[in-house]
Amino acid sequence: AQKITQTQPGMFVQEKEAVTLDCTYDTSDQSYGLFWYKQPSSGEMIFLIYQGSYDEQNATEGRYSLNFQKARKSANLVISASQLGDSAMYFCAMREGRMDSSYKLIFGSGTRLLVRP
Amino acid sequence: SQTIHQWPATLVQPVGSPLSLECTVEGTSNPNLYWYRQAAGRGLQLLFYSVGIGQISSEVPQNLSASRPQDRQFILSSKKLLLSDSGFYLCAWSVGTSGLKETQYFGPGTRLLVL
Repeated sequence: AQKITQTQPGMFVQEKEAVTLDCTYDTSDQSYGLFWYKQPSSGEMIFLIYQGSYDEQNATEGRYSLNFQKARKSANLVISASQLGDSAMYFCAMREGRMDSSYKLIFGSGTRLLVRP
Repeated sequence: SQTIHQWPATLVQPVGSPLSLECTVEGTSNPNLYWYRQAAGRGLQLLFYSVGIGQISSEVPQNLSASRPQDRQFILSSKKLLLSDSGFYLCAWSVGTSGLKETQYFGPGTRLLVL
């Protein structure tokens, strides 16, 4: 079964508007961490934001925020005031808390975001 | 500040030829190091990780191997490349003291095309 599911292969957003990129995850662990990365056309993976399973508040980093709904096992990324430079692939990833897998990030298949001027 | 380098940036190799991709990290000591592969239009697949010199763990049995001869150097190798080895190879590092929040930081990647 897929551990990380990103159901939107591609998304469009108008410049200056907000956009939500979906991510659902599957784990039986109580402790886990969720990450979002941005991959522009250059290929480098850029860390955006982190949410821990025990964090009571949704994570925010500048224009990025995470809509964390633990019961639904979803961790959607919200980008506010989209900019042309936000056009990129976005990946959701999870680290499970078990000792035998705590080193490992499991990635989703990504969502390609295109910001329209 | 920490930086991570990978080279070469692009590589075109014939089937059956050897491979050596290098990754080095600056500005940190004893990092955890990782090699990932990304097929076109797909997510990342972890290939190898290392928690110290000479310590390599393999995630997926395959045609590739990894070595860590120095604290901040991680090398991905193959004796004979296959067509299926084509892809985008990313090296990453992390500091192994942050628990669940331990963030992996990625290098610029190497695009490998095997013909």
